[in-house]
Amino acid sequence: GENVEQHPSTLSVQEGDSAVIKCTYSDSASNYFPWYKQELGKRPQLIIDIRSNVGEKKDQRIAVTLNKTAKHFSLHITETQPEDSAVYFCAASGRSNYQLIWGAGTKLIIKP
Amino acid sequence: DSGVTQTPKHLITATGQRVTLRCSPRSGDLSVYWYQQSLDQGLQFLIQYYNGEERAKGNILERFSAQQFPDLHSELNLSSLELGDSALYFCASSVGGGSMNTEAFFGQGTRLTVV
Repeated sequence: GENVEQHPSTLSVQEGDSAVIKCTYSDSASNYFPWYKQELGKRPQLIIDIRSNVGEKKDQRIAVTLNKTAKHFSLHITETQPEDSAVYFCAASGRSNYQLIWGAGTKLIIKP
Repeated sequence: DSGVTQTPKHLITATGQRVTLRCSPRSGDLSVYWYQQSLDQGLQFLIQYYNGEERAKGNILERFSAQQFPDLHSELNLSSLELGDSALYFCASSVGGGSMNTEAFFGQGTRLTVV
């Protein structure tokens, strides 16, 4: 069935360094790939998304890259700050396009 | 504030009981999604409604059911509750035109504790 694998499950980086989270999807028909950030005890919020007709998208310190051939996409956070500490979820649109298939999440820890 | 309202915020109930969780989507959003998030776990998709009709179903137990009303608010009914049903239940909404390739806005969630 459709699935999205997300790695790593936990990522600890020094403040100021870069963080990279990777996701692999199974359905070649997927065409929408959002990333959500969930701070402790709060709701998930969209931080960036990319569609299949684009290879890369940037928004300040955050960027997402998409490799359709390899069916994987990645979130890049540069110059990490304490407020970046959260759980990050990737997702891919399903074959039916009526739902998102979610990764299991990555807990990002920023060390001072 | 995402514009998605969920009530109640917290709910404590006993095993075997039935509860109803309510969700009001953002104004203009036609799609409503329900998710279950157990402690330190990911988001488990339960079910989606679009303009009153069920559109997609995930790993929703038979003891659970949902509906979307003409005013587009949605309710998730959980019955014969078990300890393992304790979780944070999120509702999300999107403009959706039937397709899930637009931003989904999440409510604050309902934390259900079954004792």
